[in-house]
Amino acid sequence: AQSVSQHNHHVILSEAASLELGCNYSYGGTVNLFWYVQYPGQHLQLLLKYFSGDPLVKGIKGFEAEFIKSKFSFNLRKPSVQWSDTAEYFCAVNFNYGQNFVFGPGTRLSVLP
Amino acid sequence: SQTIHQWPATLVQPVGSPLSLECTVEGTSNPNLYWYRQAAGRGLQLLFYSVGIGQISSEVPQNLSASRPQDRQFILSSKKLLLSDSGFYLCAWSVWGTGNTIYFGEGSWLTVV
Repeated sequence: AQSVSQHNHHVILSEAASLELGCNYSYGGTVNLFWYVQYPGQHLQLLLKYFSGDPLVKGIKGFEAEFIKSKFSFNLRKPSVQWSDTAEYFCAVNFNYGQNFVFGPGTRLSVLP
Repeated sequence: SQTIHQWPATLVQPVGSPLSLECTVEGTSNPNLYWYRQAAGRGLQLLFYSVGIGQISSEVPQNLSASRPQDRQFILSSKKLLLSDSGFYLCAWSVWGTGNTIYFGEGSWLTVV
């Protein structure tokens, strides 16, 4: 079965620290990859997505992610986090342009001021 | 541009009462529509998806049902709510193709008491 895993359940950082959140997916052919963010009490918003081309994708709010096909990974990074980045982050994969999107369990990020 | 609306935003219902959550999408035709549930501290669970009017696929056996009476309308229902139905319900849409991305509504907080 197709699946997505995220390495960390809860990450705590101080402001200005660098961030890397891991995401791995099971092999399933062609993939489109996504990161979503959910701020406290809000719905999911798209941070960035990868369909093809340059495996380093830049998104909103200074986030970027790198697709490494050989490792089935799509890790999210930000060089310097802010308190306002406190949120839950979800990795998602769309396999073979199908109608189903498989989400990881999420990583909660807490940034201390 | 496309927009998705979901209502009500919050509701508190007694055990055994019925449920109806509605979702509409504007600005696109023949979208794929989805209902997800997000329980506290857990990831996203796909409940139903629909690729067209009257076409509903259920991902997990449960106390809920879904209907799609119109192309851009998706309804989540229950005849008798259980305590375990409490959670955050998210409607979402996507469109077939290589640029397939899923977008979420604002969500509905359901508390069954």
